[in-house]
Amino acid sequence: GAVVSQHPSRVICKSGTSVKIECRSLDFQATTMFWYRQFPKQSLMLMATSNEGSKATYEQGVEKDKFLINHASLTLSTLTVTSAHPEDSSFYICSARELGDQETQYFGPGTRLLVL
Amino acid sequence: KQEVTQIPAALSVPEGENLVLNCSFTDSAIYNLQWFRQDPGKGLTSLLLIQSSQREQTSGRLNASLDKSSGRSTLYIAASQPGDSATYLCAVKNQAGTALIFGKGTTLSVSS
Repeated sequence: GAVVSQHPSRVICKSGTSVKIECRSLDFQATTMFWYRQFPKQSLMLMATSNEGSKATYEQGVEKDKFLINHASLTLSTLTVTSAHPEDSSFYICSARELGDQETQYFGPGTRLLVL
Repeated sequence: KQEVTQIPAALSVPEGENLVLNCSFTDSAIYNLQWFRQDPGKGLTSLLLIQSSQREQTSGRLNASLDKSSGRSTLYIAASQPGDSATYLCAVKNQAGTALIFGKGTTLSVSS
């Protein structure tokens, strides 16, 4: 089956620093990747949709200058949390949609971010 | 805007019981609906996917139904086991190729 990996799985950083999270599709080409954020005991909230080679589409209320998304290849998308603050501490999950598949989203294992 | 609601938020049952988790969505014009399992601090495991034209899907002890016109889905778990303890998430896809929209989940605890 299709596998999506995320790196790192867990990161702790100081307030004000930037953190980059990678999302990779290991055995398929992902034309579209979705980034979600999940706060404790809350649901997954869609942050943005990224299509390979084009700018990401952000959901209402998500700051595009704070959460930089790059989808430069068919197997890699990155989310950079710039100038992170404690309120950005969350569980970030990516998912990928394979080229030609309109139905299935494959989810990564998530990245736990803690900003001190 | 599509909203997905799951009831109850938490559920505790003794081992062996049959149980039903509920999911409702505000816009009935969905493409498909999916149930996931999430263990604490972990990613998502897909359980069942129901297309908009389908009424139900079954996998082992799990059965998911869909009533699109009323905006409801249920996940039925038969003969629950302690290993079923997890958070169960319901998600809908409004159109082909778009992102899944999630409910807040039901946290299930099955005691032995």
